[in-house]
Amino acid sequence: DVKVTQSSRYLVKRTGEKVFLECVQDMDHENMFWYRQDPGLGLRLIYFSYDVKMKEKGDIPEGYSVSREKKERFSLILESASTNQTSMYLCASSLWGGEGNTEAFFGQGTRLTVV
Amino acid sequence: GENVEQHPSTLSVQEGDSAVIKCTYSDSASNYFPWYKQELGKGPQLIIDIRSNVGEKKDQRIAVTLNKTAKHFSLHITETQPEDSAVYFCAALETGANNLFFGTGTRLTVIP
Repeated sequence: DVKVTQSSRYLVKRTGEKVFLECVQDMDHENMFWYRQDPGLGLRLIYFSYDVKMKEKGDIPEGYSVSREKKERFSLILESASTNQTSMYLCASSLWGGEGNTEAFFGQGTRLTVV
Repeated sequence: GENVEQHPSTLSVQEGDSAVIKCTYSDSASNYFPWYKQELGKGPQLIIDIRSNVGEKKDQRIAVTLNKTAKHFSLHITETQPEDSAVYFCAALETGANNLFFGTGTRLTVIP
């Protein structure tokens, strides 16, 4: 059973703080993703990574950075948290985008509130 | 890039009735179309998918249809049950690419 684990279910941080959201997957997947989920806006891609130390910007990368030092771990960093970053954050992983299985497996989400 | 639109945003049906959710996509190169179900407090989970060489796929009470010419695909749930209540997302992907493009989601409520 594929498992994607996010380090926190709920997080409350102050404006200006540096925030780390951690994600670990146990299926040796090449791809890892960070999405943000807001009502009426669906899942918006922040960053993704297709290999260790590789990263690509998604649709809304501003205010965020990522780190992938090991294949199984993908971290999302809010350099200076702001109230408009209050949201649900979802991590996902998948195999490479070939003809085979491209299913994305999601973590349970981290609900971040910035006050 | 790809743009996926999903309708309706909310849908309420009586238990036992059918539910249909529709999506359109913009990139003709997309050829993989999954549907995800997100239950309360959980991450999305794949429920069914379809590839562009197939027009329809069925799995028990769930079916997905694809019209490549019109660039739209739909999720059909028959004999709905209360446990079908969730948020459903459609998505599109081009083979060889790595990231899915998601629709905005449909909140389905099945009324007992």
